[in-house]
Formats: sequence, structure tokens, C-alpha cells
Amino acid sequence: QQQVKQSPQSLIVQKGGISIINCAYENTAFDYFPWYQQFPGKGPALLIAIRPDVSEKKEGRFTISFNKSAKQFSLHIMDSQPGDSATYFCAASQGGPVGGGSNYKLTFGKGTLLTVNP
Amino acid sequence: GAVVSQHPSWVICKSGTSVKIECRSLDFQATTMFWYRQFPKQSLMLMATSNEGSKATYEQGVEKDKFLINHASLTLSTLTVTSAHPEDSSFYICSARDLWGPGDWPYQPQHFGDGTRLSIL
Repeated sequence: QQQVKQSPQSLIVQKGGISIINCAYENTAFDYFPWYQQFPGKGPALLIAIRPDVSEKKEGRFTISFNKSAKQFSLHIMDSQPGDSATYFCAASQGGPVGGGSNYKLTFGKGTLLTVNP
Repeated sequence: GAVVSQHPSWVICKSGTSVKIECRSLDFQATTMFWYRQFPKQSLMLMATSNEGSKATYEQGVEKDKFLINHASLTLSTLTVTSAHPEDSSFYICSARDLWGPGDWPYQPQHFGDGTRLSIL
């Protein structure tokens, strides 16, 4: 059962355009939604994250839009640049008691390969 | 910022060999670390949650005798792939949470290492 569905699988955007990646989740207990950027041969790097108590969060050129009732969230990359070409993963996790344990496990979407043409 | 370091970054070895991968949090203490496996052009699959001073919690379908995890200190977790075979070849990535770092407590993000590419011949 795939708990976080991500689309599109790949995306080609022209420099200066807007890149939009969408994710949908099923588990209503999820309460933390980060986006990660991964370059080939590297580990994922956190881009931006959101909690369900806000509908939008913006950091620089990156914006997360969150729709709790629809159980959907999306990443918008404004003024896309060739250096943004990478694989983007949405993820979701469920908070819990301090100390971790098995809480805070991230469930990842399948990823979106973004190519920004110069 | 929080830095997670993995070593080695790439290892090639013969079938039947055991391989140890280290994951270190360089500038913070991590009571919990996570180990992932990633196949080419695929997503990250959580293998296990590593807790300092206690046994790791493995995800369903992951052989705990095959993938031994030790989290002996607040800055180091190790993953040992025992008697590795070609099907174990993959990209292994660890992550750690800085509970006292910036972020909405207790939702501090996971910081990832740069991964270890394991190739079994």
C-alpha cells in the first residue's frame, strides 16, 4: 500500500518557469510533510517542510501548498533554474512522544525527476 | 547546520563478504538514526530505525540477521551487511534527527548522509 502518491514522475520546465509537483497521502495521522531534493550520487537534502496547521509555507523560490481536507500537498518552484534539476521527493511522517523510537519515520513518495532546460 | 557523514562512500567486494557502513552525526547528538535503501531511479525504502543503546526496529520484510545495526553512541550507528550477495548491491543511506536543533519541536527534520554505494561482485 503506497501511502504517499507523487506526480508527475518526470517534469521538464524551461528556465524561469514554475515547476509544480503534487503529492497525496492516505494516512490522516500524518502531521509533518517535508520535501527533499536529491542530486545523483548524493543523499536527500531537506528543502522545506510544513505542518497541517498552515495552508502555505514559502522559503525563497520554494512554496508548499497544503490542502488538509483533500489530503494533498504540492511543491512550487518559482523561477526554475538549471541548477534545480534533480529528483524531488515528498514525504510524510507522524509525530509522537519525545525520544523517537519508531515515530517520525518518513514515508516517501516515488520521486519526480525535474529537468530545467536553459 | 546538522551534518551526517557516511563512510565509506563506495565499496566493492566479493560475494560472501561482510561489509560495515558507518553513519555519524558530526555536530549533534542523535538518539535515533534511520537506515534506508535506494535502488536506481527509485524512492528511499526505510529498512530500520536505530535507537541508541537498544535494539533496532526493522521494517517488515527486512532480514535483521542479514542487516545488523548497532547504535553504540549518540553520534554513531553502523549497518553491517552480512555475507553480502549481488542482490544486496544498492545505495544505502542513513539519516538522523537533531532533537535540539532548529525546527518545530518535536518535528525537527531528518538530515541525510551522502549514502554508500555497495557493489557485490
